[in-house]
Amino acid sequence: NAGVTQTPKFQVLKTGQSMTLQCAQDMNHNSMYWYRQDPGMGLRLIYYSASEGTTDKGEVPNGYNVSRLNKREFSLRLESAAPSQTSVYFCARGSEQFFGPGTRLTVL
Amino acid sequence: KNQVEQSPQSLIILEGKNCTLQCNYTVSPFSNLRWYKQDTGRGPVSLTIMTFSENTKSNGRYTATLDADTKQSSLHITASQLSDSASYICVVIYNTNAGKSTFGDGTTLTVKP
Repeated sequence: NAGVTQTPKFQVLKTGQSMTLQCAQDMNHNSMYWYRQDPGMGLRLIYYSASEGTTDKGEVPNGYNVSRLNKREFSLRLESAAPSQTSVYFCARGSEQFFGPGTRLTVL
Repeated sequence: KNQVEQSPQSLIILEGKNCTLQCNYTVSPFSNLRWYKQDTGRGPVSLTIMTFSENTKSNGRYTATLDADTKQSSLHITASQLSDSASYICVVIYNTNAGKSTFGDGTTLTVKP
């Protein structure tokens, strides 16, 4: 998944804690995306950014915020984590949706 | 409601055999259809991308077909290898500019020696 880096790879949070998932691309693509993947379900779009400085809600945005301060980086923030947010989070870039390696998040 | 349904949910085949995975969709409007391979613990990797006017696309031992009239696609894997064991995800894009897409739940393929 070279081309999109995600940090951290793994994270365990307690309910109510906050954290930011980081995503960076090494190309100059306008669009970037955040998805979550849960067992038995397809990837679901949380937020996307069509270009630097713009963001829009996807299918499941509740409980999340995003930030696209520059073209390279697109971060996903959980202000008050809940067990329902336990999932694997994927960032993707470009209209062809090239995916990063994912962040596995567990909320206890 | 836009939907993508994949079948079978899981499949076990012997190394060297061929297999075909199915994808039916009700997504509209249609921009393009993609097949991804996702290894356990990794992000999805694109195998093929097909637009409305394309009805077949190959990538090595992977061949995808598309029938836009019946809204069906298939992914055929020839001479399977152990490394083909993965989840295969069908995705239909209906708004390229906004990144709007609908993902199938995937087919889990296990190739046994």
